[in-house]
Amino acid sequence: TQLLEQSPQFLSIQEGENLTVYCNSSSVFSSLQWYRQEPGEGPVLLVTVVTGGEVKKLKRLTFQFGDARKDSSLHITAAQPGDTGLYLCAGAPGNQFYFGTGTSLTVIP
Amino acid sequence: DTAVSQTPKYLVTQMGNDKSIKCEQNLGHDTMYWYKQDSKKFLKIMFSYNNKELIINETVPNRFSPKSPDKAHLNLHINSLELGDSAVYFCASSQDSGGETQYFGPGTRLLVL
Repeated sequence: TQLLEQSPQFLSIQEGENLTVYCNSSSVFSSLQWYRQEPGEGPVLLVTVVTGGEVKKLKRLTFQFGDARKDSSLHITAAQPGDTGLYLCAGAPGNQFYFGTGTSLTVIP
Repeated sequence: DTAVSQTPKYLVTQMGNDKSIKCEQNLGHDTMYWYKQDSKKFLKIMFSYNNKELIINETVPNRFSPKSPDKAHLNLHINSLELGDSAVYFCASSQDSGGETQYFGPGTRLLVL
C-alpha cells in the first residue's frame, strides 16, 4: 500500500466528458500538490492546495482538498485531448516527499 | 533556457556496468532530488539534497550514490547495474525542502541489458 493512493489508475474518455480523479491517504498533509506529466517529459505542477476544504479552479480543472487534509480530488469539465497525461498528487506528511500512484488519462477526440 | 537539464536522455548499457547521470538546474534552488519512475509510472523519491543535508530513501540500494559538486548540480552514480534498474530517472529541484513546487528535468531513460 502506497502513502497516496489515486483512483482510477487508468481513464479513457471521449472529448467533452467530465471526470474526477481521487487522491487518498491515511496521513494528514499540510498541503497537497497536483502535477501533470505528459509523455516523454517530467511532471509539471498544476496547483497546490493548503487549507482543509479549499477549492481551487484552473480553467476547466477544479481541485479540492478534503476537510481533514487527508484527501484531494481533481475534476475536469469538458475534457479536451490536450488534457491527456499522467496526473499525480503529491505531498510531504513529514520530511519526505511522496507522489501518488498516478492516474493515466486519455481523452479521445 | 532549460531550468532543469539532464544528460543523457537515453542510456543503454550492460548489466554490471557503472554509469552516471548528470543534472543541472539554473533556478538558484537550494534543494535537488532524484526520482525513479518505474514501468507502472510510479514516481519514487530516491534522494533529496541541499547544502546541509542528504536525505536518502532507505529502500534505495547503496549501489546508487548522489554526487553534488556544487549547489546547481546533483549527479547520480550507479554501480554494478542490474536489470531491475531499468527505468526513467528524473532530477528535480525546489527552492527549499519544505514541500515547495518541484521543477523536473526531462528524464533519463535507462535500459539495462
